Amino acid sequence: GAVVSQHPSWVICKSGTSVKIECRSLDFQATTMFWYRQFPKQSLMLMATSNEGSKATYEQGVEKDKFLINHASLTLSTLTVTSAHPEDSSFYICSARSYSADTQYFGPGTRLTVL
Amino acid sequence: SQKIEQNSEALNIQEGKTATLTCNYTNYSPAYLQWYRQDPGRGPVFLLLIRENEKEKRKERLKVTFDTTLKQSLFHITASQPADSATYLCALDYGGSQGNLIFGKGTKLSVKP
Repeated sequence: GAVVSQHPSWVICKSGTSVKIECRSLDFQATTMFWYRQFPKQSLMLMATSNEGSKATYEQGVEKDKFLINHASLTLSTLTVTSAHPEDSSFYICSARSYSADTQYFGPGTRLTVL
Repeated sequence: SQKIEQNSEALNIQEGKTATLTCNYTNYSPAYLQWYRQDPGRGPVFLLLIRENEKEKRKERLKVTFDTTLKQSLFHITASQPADSATYLCALDYGGSQGNLIFGKGTKLSVKP
């Protein structure tokens, strides 16, 4: 149990375009979903936290207009990187947590490369 | 702000030996401390969680200790195998309603046959 999927697993796009990444909890209801970004040899950095049906809470330094998060249902959250630039190239990982759980379950990650 | 240090970026050991990884933090202790495994190009996989009132937790070949006085957690893998080679992350959870985790940079473990 506790499986989280992400789609796509990798994406290459041109500078200035927008990219949408989906995160799904497959076998449980995720009251809270998290989006992280990880640069090479660095730790996971939390970008934002979202609860189903409400606006996401962004960490300091993360532009909410650039990284749009939608958590429309208890099993799906999306992250849209708008007007992507090469410096947005990174490994984006989502995680999900149910109300009663002590821990988060992570998706396999999405490698974004912006040319 | 909270700082987390994992003892080394890389740890190399021989198969069959016990690997010991360290996680130190500053400031106040978390409600939970968690350990994850991350393979290259993959998301973290949850291994063990230990609460602040617990001293030790075991799961198969894994053991975690939590010393709130030293502000340190130790993660042990006994009888290590090459398949245990991966990056191991510790994460602090202060138990808020959101359940945010603060991650260390990780220690890359290599187990040589």
